[in-house]
Amino acid sequence: QKEVEQNSGPLSVPEGAIASLNCTYSDRGSQSFFWYRQYSGKSPELIMFIYSNGDKEDGRFTAQLNKASQYVSLLIRDSQPSDSATYLCAVYNQGGKLIFGQGTELSVKP
Amino acid sequence: ETGVTQTPRHLVMGMTNKKSLKCEQHLGHNAMYWYKQSAKKPLELMFVYNFKEQTENNSVPSRFSPECPNSSHLFLHLHTLQPEDSALYLCASSPRGASSNQPQHFGDGTRLSIL
Repeated sequence: QKEVEQNSGPLSVPEGAIASLNCTYSDRGSQSFFWYRQYSGKSPELIMFIYSNGDKEDGRFTAQLNKASQYVSLLIRDSQPSDSATYLCAVYNQGGKLIFGQGTELSVKP
Repeated sequence: ETGVTQTPRHLVMGMTNKKSLKCEQHLGHNAMYWYKQSAKKPLELMFVYNFKEQTENNSVPSRFSPECPNSSHLFLHLHTLQPEDSALYLCASSPRGASSNQPQHFGDGTRLSIL
């Protein structure tokens, strides 16, 4: 079992819709969770982090964490073509390593 | 200048060459990292430096040799690389030391191609 799993996609949504990106992790003791956005040919850019169960909102982005289900998600409201990128889920395991998923490719169609 | 800066942005080298990648962070962070990103694969952690001391070598071949002279600078020395080493090499830093569950901030990476 991979430590951090994401659907590779591509996930395609129309402009203005809600994009939902999901991630599961295997280390039950993980405490810190991050979402990075990576445009093609560019480096990962931190867009959200969450440490507690529940929702955390920042502009059009909402991160959701459910530690009991070992599940973290990212919602993007009012999706724009400029949101088209690969979204990386990253989780610190109990050993202190930041483990990345393989990323979900999002395509927002005008 | 702010953030994490990596040079060069692109590097093409033969298998017998020796080259170095440089990373500099202007964020006052205490931990620095090297990652490898190959196509369609998750980021792979290579090395971790915590307050200038190497705390992690993730089973990286010896043809990759890191150096951290101070908390702001990190190098990756390369020699006798293989074609499968062609990838994007990313440097990152985080505040308050590694294993502190803090976000890591990435540089723009060096795109390495081995001929």
